[in-house]
Amino acid sequence: KAGVTQTPRYLIKTRGQQVTLSCSPISGHRSVSWYQQTPGQGLQFLFEYFSETQRNKGNFPGRFSGRQFSNSRSEMNVSTLELGDSALYLCASSSFGSAWGDTQYFGPGTRLTVL
Amino acid sequence: GESVGLHLPTLSVQEGDNSIINCAYSNSASDYFIWYKQESGKGPQFIIDIRSNMDKRQGQRVTVLLNKTVKHLSLQIAATQPGDSAVYFCAGNGNQFYFGTGTSLTVIP
Repeated sequence: KAGVTQTPRYLIKTRGQQVTLSCSPISGHRSVSWYQQTPGQGLQFLFEYFSETQRNKGNFPGRFSGRQFSNSRSEMNVSTLELGDSALYLCASSSFGSAWGDTQYFGPGTRLTVL
Repeated sequence: GESVGLHLPTLSVQEGDNSIINCAYSNSASDYFIWYKQESGKGPQFIIDIRSNMDKRQGQRVTVLLNKTVKHLSLQIAATQPGDSAVYFCAGNGNQFYFGTGTSLTVIP
């Protein structure tokens, strides 16, 4: 079974631009979560989607948004990029989500650099 | 708020020795825990999990121990190898997964 895939793997943007990251979960998984990983803050939860609905959201500004499609693929968007948005963005998929005690598998991440 | 933390940011062990990585959590309602391994430039990789109805679970060269009384879990790696060098995270469930900050394990040949 193919794992979680994320595209692109690397991105370089400038301040003020916007970016869209994509995640394809493991086949059959309906829950997708997004995380931001930085050296100083570790893994920070962004949001979780299940069956096209956002089920939970972390403490990030409204510039961070996401969506999930009917095939469970998910995208996250960051608008008006700031230098502090430079990070590794990780997507994780599971069958039903964290509240169900469901194993979560990660993709390789998208490394975003904001100049 | 809910949190999961790791006790030591770094750990160095000799090749062949056993490694123990510790983690504490605050949410009594968490009933599922996962240990992940993250190598440089890669996403976290699932190692082993444990549910709250268990105290111990063993995998290949890894054992996870869960002490619900003191809200503590540990990951034991037997006969540590250079390929085990990575950052290790624990995660506990709730309305989202909560992650510790990670312990960087270095294996000295």
